[in-house]
Amino acid sequence: EDKVVQSPLSLVVHEGDTVTLNCSYEVTNFRSLLWYKQEKKAPTFLFMLTSSGIEKKSGRLSSILDKKELFSILNITATQTGDSAIYLCAVELYNTDKLIFGTGTRLQVFP
Amino acid sequence: DVKVTQSSRYLVKRTGEKVFLECVQDMDHENMFWYRQDPGLGLRLIYFSYDVKMKEKGDIPEGYSVSREKKERFSLILESASTNQTSMYLCASSWQGRAETQYFGPGTRLLVL
Repeated sequence: EDKVVQSPLSLVVHEGDTVTLNCSYEVTNFRSLLWYKQEKKAPTFLFMLTSSGIEKKSGRLSSILDKKELFSILNITATQTGDSAIYLCAVELYNTDKLIFGTGTRLQVFP
Repeated sequence: DVKVTQSSRYLVKRTGEKVFLECVQDMDHENMFWYRQDPGLGLRLIYFSYDVKMKEKGDIPEGYSVSREKKERFSLILESASTNQTSMYLCASSWQGRAETQYFGPGTRLLVL
């Protein structure tokens, strides 16, 4: 059975800290891995990763994929209170437009 | 701006009632999805539609049905609501073959009493 596992489930940090969120997967026919940020309502797209070892970066957020070890990490440096959200990881398979989501990591950043 | 809208933000229904959740997208996307989101379980796919009148079961279709009569509209139907269907329901749409274009609606929080 295809599955996506995120860790930790929850994280509490202070502003300025650096955090690393993990996503591991066991799927057949992997095509890509996606990260989303969900604040109070709709998840919003952050990154899509298809190749191992190539870092995607957007401001203080970065992500990398390891297709050999079947995981991805999302790094957030110099965290701010506005980074507080649920971060979702999802895997796309070949020959389908469906995504398989992990349980999410709830990040809380306190001033 | 991509817009996926859902008919209600909050809904309270009684056990046994028939419930309709509506989703409309304005991007001419072929694909539309219904998920439910529960603490500790993440997003789980209920149903998926890749074209008008076409539908495919997701991981948890039991107790739900869907309707897609027009490209822009995808409805989720709870034939006889039960308390274990209390959840956050998220609709999404995307282009075919372009997973990164999956855009989500704001969600409907449904409480079944």
